[in-house]
Amino acid sequence: AQTVTQSQPEMSVQEAETVTLSCTYDTSENNYYLFWYKQPPSRQMILVIRQEAYKQQNATENRFSVNFQKAAKSFSLKISDSQLGDTAMYFCALAGNTPLVFGKGTRLSVIA
Amino acid sequence: NAGVMQNPRHLVRRRGQEARLRCSPMKGHSHVYWYRQLPEEGLKFMVYLQKENIIDESGMPKERFSAEFPKEGPSILRIQQVVRGDSAAYFCASSPSSGRNTGELFFGEGSRLTVL
Repeated sequence: AQTVTQSQPEMSVQEAETVTLSCTYDTSENNYYLFWYKQPPSRQMILVIRQEAYKQQNATENRFSVNFQKAAKSFSLKISDSQLGDTAMYFCALAGNTPLVFGKGTRLSVIA
Repeated sequence: NAGVMQNPRHLVRRRGQEARLRCSPMKGHSHVYWYRQLPEEGLKFMVYLQKENIIDESGMPKERFSAEFPKEGPSILRIQQVVRGDSAAYFCASSPSSGRNTGELFFGEGSRLTVL
């Protein structure tokens, strides 16, 4: 079975600072994809960043980057220059030959 | 290009009534997924459908819940004889092909069901 664990229920960060959200996962598959989704108060699920497991290079999307450690099965999200609009729930997710599996989420608050 | 459309956005039902949630996937997408989100929880997979076929319903409760994706029209998640524990946000997602390997799903805004 595939599992995703997010050990930080809540985090806060000052505006313009950097924050890292943790995620670990477990899977027996060799080919899989990892994702971070953002869920703002509007509840829409928005894809933030995506990483293919076969790629060693860490994915980057503007202020968002990941630290993918395949051997450790770790997939953390770094948000640089945090903005008030980054306040949301963040979900780590894993997809392989089974439907997308989500962690329980981390509630991030960006403080002015 | 419209995104995934779900309706209703909010639905209130009394215990024992039926709830029907509809999902129109993005244009060109033939794969639909339903997820349920309980308060303060992540999304839990329920069912994966292609047109006229249920591919994977391993996350669907065995009783009272059913889903369909007909050849014409939206996908429908049906909950019969609702109970308070069914109160949740139900999200639909779609993908152009099997999203199982690429994982990238496009989500609707969700339907919030409240059972009184």
